[in-house]
Order: sequence, then structure tokens, then C-alpha cells
Amino acid sequence: AQSVTQLDSQVPVFEEAPVELRCNYSSSVSVYLFWYVQYPNQGLQLLLKYLSGSTLVKGINGFEAEFNKSQTSFHLRKPSVHISDTAEYFCAVSFSQGGSEKLVFGKGTKLTVNP
Amino acid sequence: GAVVSQHPSRVICKSGTSVKIECRSLDFQATTMFWYRQFPKKSLMLMATSNEGSKATYEQGVEKDKFLINHASLTLSTLTVTSAHPEDSSFYICSAEDRGYEQYFGPGTRLTVT
Repeated sequence: AQSVTQLDSQVPVFEEAPVELRCNYSSSVSVYLFWYVQYPNQGLQLLLKYLSGSTLVKGINGFEAEFNKSQTSFHLRKPSVHISDTAEYFCAVSFSQGGSEKLVFGKGTKLTVNP
Repeated sequence: GAVVSQHPSRVICKSGTSVKIECRSLDFQATTMFWYRQFPKKSLMLMATSNEGSKATYEQGVEKDKFLINHASLTLSTLTVTSAHPEDSSFYICSAEDRGYEQYFGPGTRLTVT
């Protein structure tokens, strides 16, 4: 079975500081990995995804993530955050079932950027 | 980019009534759509997978008679919460899968049952 662990439920940082949101996954098969952002009372927006190839993935809004197969991790990073990055961030793993790709989500990390 | 809409964005209903939520893929055809439920400060829980022209596949623990899903066309799936109770109050989010197997999420529907 697939599972995703986001160790930090809340991460407070100051504006312009770097941030790392941690994500570890468990799967017995090859998976695709995703990071989504959710603003209050809104749906999810895809930040970036790892399907194959380069383990360093760049996404929107200056975020990037690195896939580490040996550590089964897919941590999200941004070198300098803005107030507008305050949101909930979800790591997800997808797996094939019944001809479609299902997503399993972590519990989310609330990023709060303070001035 | 691919856009998915949900209607309504917010709905308040009385206990015992039914509520229908629509999910539409606006600029692509989606053979498969997914329905999620999100509790406050919790992650998304997959409720069911909706396939166009066939019955939905429900996840374990989700009552199919209570959460009726219809996927009548390649751009529309509906979720009907029947005989709603206060514990059904939640944020419901749909997603639509394109041919590249990527999911695009709707903006969500906040259901409050009084």
C-alpha cells in the first residue's frame, strides 16, 4: 500500500527566509510524486510533479523539490518565501488502479510566512 | 491550462434533505473524475472514482447509497448527498483526469448541514 508522511503539520518562517517542507512516502511500486498548494477555501493547485528523469524538479512560484529514491523522500524547497506563500501544502503519491491514477495525500503542512 | 469548475461553491441545507454538487471539466474531456472529502485541518480523503458511462467505484467505508455519483458525460460528474446530516458537513473537492493521467482540481464546495 502507498502512504505519504508529512512530518511537519505547521512551519512558521519569516519573509525572505528559505523553507523546506518535508515529505516521505512508502510504496512497493514505482510512483509519481506531486506537491499541491491549497489557499483557504479553495481547491488544490499543482506546484510540481516528478514522473521520471531528473530528480530535481522545478515548479511554479519559485518552488522546487528533489526526489530521493534511497530515502523515499520528496522534500519541497524555496530559497526565499513571500507573504503570499502562506497556504497549506500537500504532498501526494499516485499509483495505478483500475486504469486510472489514484492520488494518496499526506496530511498537509501549514506554511505561515510572517513579516 | 485545464480548468475544472464546481457548483455551488457553498451550500447550506437542512438535515434530511439532499444536495447535488456538480463538477465540470471546462476545456477538456475527462473519462475519469474523482470526488474527495476534506475535513477541517485534515488531508483529502478519496471518496470515489467516477467513470463516464459506468458505475462509480467507492472507497472502503464510503456509503454508495448516501453519496450518489453520476458521470453522464465526459465533462460532467455529479455528487448527490442524500438525506444529509450535520456530520456530512465538509468541504467536497472534485478532480478530473486528462488523457495524460494528470488530475486537475475544482475549487471545492463547502457543504453545511443544519
